[in-house]
Amino acid sequence: DSGVTQTPKHLITATGQRVTLRCSPRSGDLSVYWYQQSLDQGLQFLIQYYNGEERAKGNILERFSAQQFPDLHSELNLSSLELGDSALYFCASSVGHGGRGEKLFFGSGTQLSVL
Amino acid sequence: DAKTTQPPSMDCAEGRAANLPCNHSTISGNEYVYWYRQIHSQGPQYIIHGLKNNETNEMASLIITEDRKSSTLILPHATLRDTAVYYCIVSPNTGNQFYFGTGTSLTVIP
Repeated sequence: DSGVTQTPKHLITATGQRVTLRCSPRSGDLSVYWYQQSLDQGLQFLIQYYNGEERAKGNILERFSAQQFPDLHSELNLSSLELGDSALYFCASSVGHGGRGEKLFFGSGTQLSVL
Repeated sequence: DAKTTQPPSMDCAEGRAANLPCNHSTISGNEYVYWYRQIHSQGPQYIIHGLKNNETNEMASLIITEDRKSSTLILPHATLRDTAVYYCIVSPNTGNQFYFGTGTSLTVIP
């Protein structure tokens, strides 16, 4: 158990809909990262938040947004869903904002299926 | 960000050492080498990381060449539960936004 909690574990929805994925980081970790893993793209970094502020942005679509709340949990919002958004979405956390040999700890993921 | 190159797949006999190579010829002086693995569709699991020196923990050993252009992850006594995709990652000096490549799919054979 990494200590990172993601909910829900599975999510089935229809095209055009909007969903919210939730992540609780390990106790004491200030950074939260979101990754998307699809069959044809592998693990793709989406976005990082550190202590409530956006820290880095990767290959995140404009239809996707995220935020980190004062209690440090994070939510990833996916809107106008398309079939191609079906993927595993992972959250990870680390103590700081990185660059000093920090480790990332990953949650067990949310499997999103868009039908 | 420094890129890594890994063989797509490897086999290893159960009980033998598994040696997984990684090339990172464009690594910068302050960038770390990390190894993670992913078993089936579970979340990636941290294995080990290092900067310049060889490292060992309860899971594995990491050997980094003197010029830092390549490294080898060693699982000393592979078990069937070590069957997974192993990712070698070089961390950007601006943070922890790890970029995962395609990794090496290790199959441990009974």
